[in-house]
Amino acid sequence: DGGITQSPKYLFRKEGQNVTLSCEQNLNHDAMYWYRQDPGQGLRLIYYSQIVNDFQKGDIAEGYSVSREKKESFPLTVTSAQKNPTAFYLCASSLQRQASSYNSPLHFGNGTRLTVT
Amino acid sequence: KQEVTQIPAALSVPEGENLVLNCSFTDSAIYNLQWFRQDPGKGLTSLLLIQSSQREQTSGRLNASLDKSSGRSTLYIAASQPGDSATYLCAACTNQAGTALIFGKGTTLSVSS
Repeated sequence: DGGITQSPKYLFRKEGQNVTLSCEQNLNHDAMYWYRQDPGQGLRLIYYSQIVNDFQKGDIAEGYSVSREKKESFPLTVTSAQKNPTAFYLCASSLQRQASSYNSPLHFGNGTRLTVT
Repeated sequence: KQEVTQIPAALSVPEGENLVLNCSFTDSAIYNLQWFRQDPGKGLTSLLLIQSSQREQTSGRLNASLDKSSGRSTLYIAASQPGDSATYLCAACTNQAGTALIFGKGTTLSVSS
């Protein structure tokens, strides 16, 4: 079955430590995304990548970094510079057809809940 | 700046009832409107995508409509079941690349048996 795998499901870190969240997809999708979800708020875009070795900042990129060395993988690093890192992190992907990439629905993983104390 | 609003934030209905979830957006220049379902502690599942040129889309007991001129979309759920209990989110796509989705905060639906 094709899908998106996020690991781990729960992650606990001490303040001041960097932490990397994993996201792997076997859907052969070109585009991948990282969103952050906080209680009572809509999803907010952190970073996205439309092609290998290229990525763009979303609305709340400060304190985060990403890489896209392989089509299947888009890890997110939460750095110590992120002031409020405790949140639910969602990875997503979509197919990018040239003519109508906007009409490709997003597929989501099951998320990683990060708690920083 | 595009804003997406979903009212009510929570809704409780008895099993079997037909119901409508609302989604409004402030800028009619959208490429599509997407509806998602989210179960507690899980990721989002895509339910329906309505292209800007379409008026509605149907999948099983779900029907989503889009009225760009009034900045509204509705998700109609027929004959609700306890298994429909979840949070439903809508998102407006604001760019041609499909990379800019603006999400609402969701409506949490509870269907009692």
